[in-house]
Amino acid sequence: AQSVAQPEDQVNVAEGNPLTVKCTYSVSGNPYLFWYVQYPNRGLQFLLKYITGDNLVKGSYGFEAEFNKSQTSFHLKKPSALVSDSALYFCAVSPVGNTGKLIFGQGTTLQVKP
Amino acid sequence: DVKVTQSSRYLVKRTGEKVFLECVQDMDHENMFWYRQDPGLGLRLIYFSYDVKMKEKGDIPEGYSVSREKKERFSLILESASTNQTSMYLCASRWKNEQFFGPGTRLTVL
Repeated sequence: AQSVAQPEDQVNVAEGNPLTVKCTYSVSGNPYLFWYVQYPNRGLQFLLKYITGDNLVKGSYGFEAEFNKSQTSFHLKKPSALVSDSALYFCAVSPVGNTGKLIFGQGTTLQVKP
Repeated sequence: DVKVTQSSRYLVKRTGEKVFLECVQDMDHENMFWYRQDPGLGLRLIYFSYDVKMKEKGDIPEGYSVSREKKERFSLILESASTNQTSMYLCASRWKNEQFFGPGTRLTVL
């Protein structure tokens, strides 16, 4: 079965430190990969996507993600965390030829402390 | 900017009621989706629609139906609400590999 895993329910980091939110996937072929963020009582906002090309993808709010095909991972990163980055983050995968449907991970809560 | 709106932010219904959740997008997108979000489970696809009057079941369609009579509007229907349908419901429309989400409807079934 196709699936996406976010192994950490919560990530805690101090403001100014680098952050990583992990994502691995089990999908055949070369899927499209996405990160979304959800602030309290809001819908999901698009952060970035990987379709093809350079393995390091840059997105909104200073976030970036690194695609690793051999490890089937797509980890979200930011060099210097802000308190305002505290939110719920979702990794999602769209299998090729799957008409745009997304398979989501279970979500990781990022807590950035001052 | 793409705008996806949902008819209610919060909704409280009783067991057995018929519930309608409405979603409207203003960008003429063909593809629209309904998800439910539960803690620890992420988002799960209920139904999606390729175009007007076209629909396809997602991963958890049981207890739900949908309607798409106009391109901009995609409705989720709970025929007879049950307490296990208490959840956050998110609608999305899709354009060029990217999905745009509405603010969500938090439904409580008592």
